[in-house]
Amino acid sequence: SQQGEEDPQALSIQEGENATMNCSYKTSINNLQWYRQNSGRGLVHLILIRSNEREKHSGRLRVTLDTSKKSSSLLITASRAADTASYFCATDTQAGTALIFGKGTTLSVSS
Amino acid sequence: NAGVTQTPKFQVLKTGQSMTLQCAQDMNHEYMSWYRQDPGMGLRLIHYSVGAGITDQGEVPNGYNVSRSTTEDFPLRLLSAAPSQTSVYFCASSDSVPGLAGGTDTQYFGPGTRLTVL
Repeated sequence: SQQGEEDPQALSIQEGENATMNCSYKTSINNLQWYRQNSGRGLVHLILIRSNEREKHSGRLRVTLDTSKKSSSLLITASRAADTASYFCATDTQAGTALIFGKGTTLSVSS
Repeated sequence: NAGVTQTPKFQVLKTGQSMTLQCAQDMNHEYMSWYRQDPGMGLRLIHYSVGAGITDQGEVPNGYNVSRSTTEDFPLRLLSAAPSQTSVYFCASSDSVPGLAGGTDTQYFGPGTRLTVL
């Protein structure tokens, strides 16, 4: 079964608004990552947060991690039409050696 | 660097046919993996390899074989194609095994192979 589950499944916002996506997972992890997938393309790594970190920033991206609740959030500030894509969280498994992806959140940003 | 390359980009098979999806990377990454992506299911791990000569099963390995004879290549074989294997297949590589302390864990994905089994 999949480790991570994103919420919501789909999100529609206007340009300039903030977009927040959440990820919940089931077992203890070492790292959690977020990826973006544009339509018809492969996934692209956005950001990694380690289990001993609570928050991380990269440009307009802000990721938080709450290991006690087994959850993470990805915030995209001042969204642009180019942010339209699917976003996936990925975690290592409890035993390590494999990366498990959630089902993704589809973000649509309209101008 | 070309990164991760996959061939073919599109393929149509008939039920029962076999084929090999090719994946190659030029970044000298030890870790490689195969995923399939289906609507509403996200990405599911098929097989992975932590280095040449070492492979292991992921979440959905049935009907697929892999081998890793070189660091660069990680082909995925469909033994007897079934309509349930219609999907988009992604290969990925990384310079570290996921979860190991200090690793970057960043996966580099290929562009995908869209497979239809009739």
